[in-house]
Amino acid sequence: DVKVTQSSRYLVKRTGEKVFLECVQDMDHENMFWYRQDPGLGLRLIYFSYDVKMKEKGDIPEGYSVSREKKERFSLILESASTNQTSMYLCASSLRQGYVTNEKLFFGSGTQLSVL
Amino acid sequence: DQQVKQNSPSLSVQEGRISILNCDYTNSMFDYFLWYKKYPAEGPTFLISISSIKDKNEDGRFTVFLNKSAKHLSLHIVPSQPGDSAVYFCAASEEGGSEKLVFGKGTKLTVNP
Repeated sequence: DVKVTQSSRYLVKRTGEKVFLECVQDMDHENMFWYRQDPGLGLRLIYFSYDVKMKEKGDIPEGYSVSREKKERFSLILESASTNQTSMYLCASSLRQGYVTNEKLFFGSGTQLSVL
Repeated sequence: DQQVKQNSPSLSVQEGRISILNCDYTNSMFDYFLWYKKYPAEGPTFLISISSIKDKNEDGRFTVFLNKSAKHLSLHIVPSQPGDSAVYFCAASEEGGSEKLVFGKGTKLTVNP
């Protein structure tokens, strides 16, 4: 089974802090994603990466950046945390076969981030 | 503009009865649809999917129906069990495979014993 591991289940940070959320997957998937989930808003894509050192903006990239230095690891960075970034953050990965992506995503358990 | 809509934020059903969760979409380029299930404090897990070349896909107690002309899909759970209580997300992707899935806002299903 694919395992997607997020480094923290709960994080509490202060406004203005730089925050790193780490995600590791163990199935050699090409694609990795960062979503946030908020009540009433569902899952919204922040950034995704389809290869090492490659990244693409999702629907809500403002205030975030990402890093993918190794295939198995995808980091989400909040450069200067703000209270409106309090949310559940979900990392996911998926397989890519040639030019076709398998849409079946495997998610981590999530990181609940609170920014005070 | 929301491309994938789940208009019912919540649904309550008695154990043993059928649960029907609905999803509408606006983008005619979507050709692959998935349902994910999410328990509190866990990540979503894949439940079932359907390609636009089909109108029905069944997996045990779970069946997804697709009506392309109406741009509507539904997930049927029969019989419903208390362990099915979770948030269900509908998702869609465009023709040719896409790195980007578009999710609905989710429907919280409660199955009462």
